[in-house]
Amino acid sequence: SQQGEEDPQALSIQEGENATMNCSYKTSINNLQWYRQNSGRGLVHLILIRSNEREKHSGRLRVTLDTSKKSSSLLITASRAADTASYFCATETSGANSKLTFGKGITLSVRP
Amino acid sequence: GAVVSQHPSRVICKSGTSVKIECRSLDFQATTMFWYRQFPKQSLMLMATSNEGSKATYEQGVEKDKFLINHASLTLSTLTVTSAHPEDSSFYICSALAASGGGWEQFFGPGTRLTVL
Repeated sequence: SQQGEEDPQALSIQEGENATMNCSYKTSINNLQWYRQNSGRGLVHLILIRSNEREKHSGRLRVTLDTSKKSSSLLITASRAADTASYFCATETSGANSKLTFGKGITLSVRP
Repeated sequence: GAVVSQHPSRVICKSGTSVKIECRSLDFQATTMFWYRQFPKQSLMLMATSNEGSKATYEQGVEKDKFLINHASLTLSTLTVTSAHPEDSSFYICSALAASGGGWEQFFGPGTRLTVL
């Protein structure tokens, strides 16, 4: 069953704007990860945030985690056309032996 | 480091034939690999966990006799889709588990596009 649920399902923004994507999940987790996937290609790991962390940064990416609300957000600042892709959150559930459960994904379109 | 490859990247086969997909960890050893399936515009669904030297663990609803997994070495897992049918057409992605940053992380292959005619 799907653990993560992202919203919005599709997002279209202008280059230079910030993009915020949200993910909610249902059970206790060890960590939450965000991935990017370009059309028809493999996954690119963006960032991992552990259950005891609240915020992480990596370049233009900022991820937050609120375990009380069972939600996470991914912020991409100063978006570029090359950021156009599908974004997935994935949760590693506590006691799940490193298994990941992926959300449905968000399609981000950045207009030049 | 932590590079995972898949072969082939694309395969087209006739209905009823079997297709083997390889997943290799190129610069590390992986006792655990995972196989996922992704239908168009959908998410990745875990099919099975492949364990080196032992039987794979399949997720609920995945037929183990149809999707044969062999993890004979620490760098190679194979997925064989037996008697493939058009509904098996999908994007198959593997990942390999490696130690990273004090924990474990899955490193993903580039995927294999299977089309069954």
